[in-house]
Amino acid sequence: KNEVEQSPQNLTAQEGEFITINCSYSVGISALHWLQQHPGGGIVSLFMLSSGKKKHGRLIATINIQEKHSSLHITASHPRDSAVYICALSQGGSEKLVFGKGTKLTVNP
Amino acid sequence: DTAVSQTPKYLVTQMGNDKSIKCEQNLGHDTMYWYKQDSKKFLKIMFSYNNKELIINETVPNRFSPKSPDKAHLNLHINSLELGDSAVYFCASSSGGEQYFGPGTRLTVT
Repeated sequence: KNEVEQSPQNLTAQEGEFITINCSYSVGISALHWLQQHPGGGIVSLFMLSSGKKKHGRLIATINIQEKHSSLHITASHPRDSAVYICALSQGGSEKLVFGKGTKLTVNP
Repeated sequence: DTAVSQTPKYLVTQMGNDKSIKCEQNLGHDTMYWYKQDSKKFLKIMFSYNNKELIINETVPNRFSPKSPDKAHLNLHINSLELGDSAVYFCASSSGGEQYFGPGTRLTVT
């Protein structure tokens, strides 16, 4: 069993919809990361969080340490949000990332 | 100015050859990484260097040898390439948490 489980694996939405992507993990962490990988292949860090909630524009990330669960929300989704969203963990003193398998999001106009 | 750069972007080569991928970061970060993304798009850590010293080697075949001439550079040399080495290789750097990724190098071994 992977240490990091994401759901759903694939998600299709209409423009304007509210999107939620979930991430559950089974190990202790120092931080949880949400990354975005566009069809062109580049990877961008969206959030790094160890507690609570962070917001950047239309993106919101939350984490519940007790439940070992994080969510990434996208409000007013847009076709340019179409990408693969990856949850990743960093543990202890090591900054190396352990990745989930990603959620492929397609937002249709 | 590109924060983390990799060269080449694409690399096509035959089995048995030796090749290198270069990575440079201009962010002043102490830690650099190599990650491999397989055909199913799953990312996995290969190596991590901190201030030119190897700190993580995740059961990667010894045909793969990272080299860090200084803390801004982390190169990856691969000997005797195999078909299974075909993947996208990402370099990244960090300082205290958030990671910055290079654009990736798509390696195809024929």
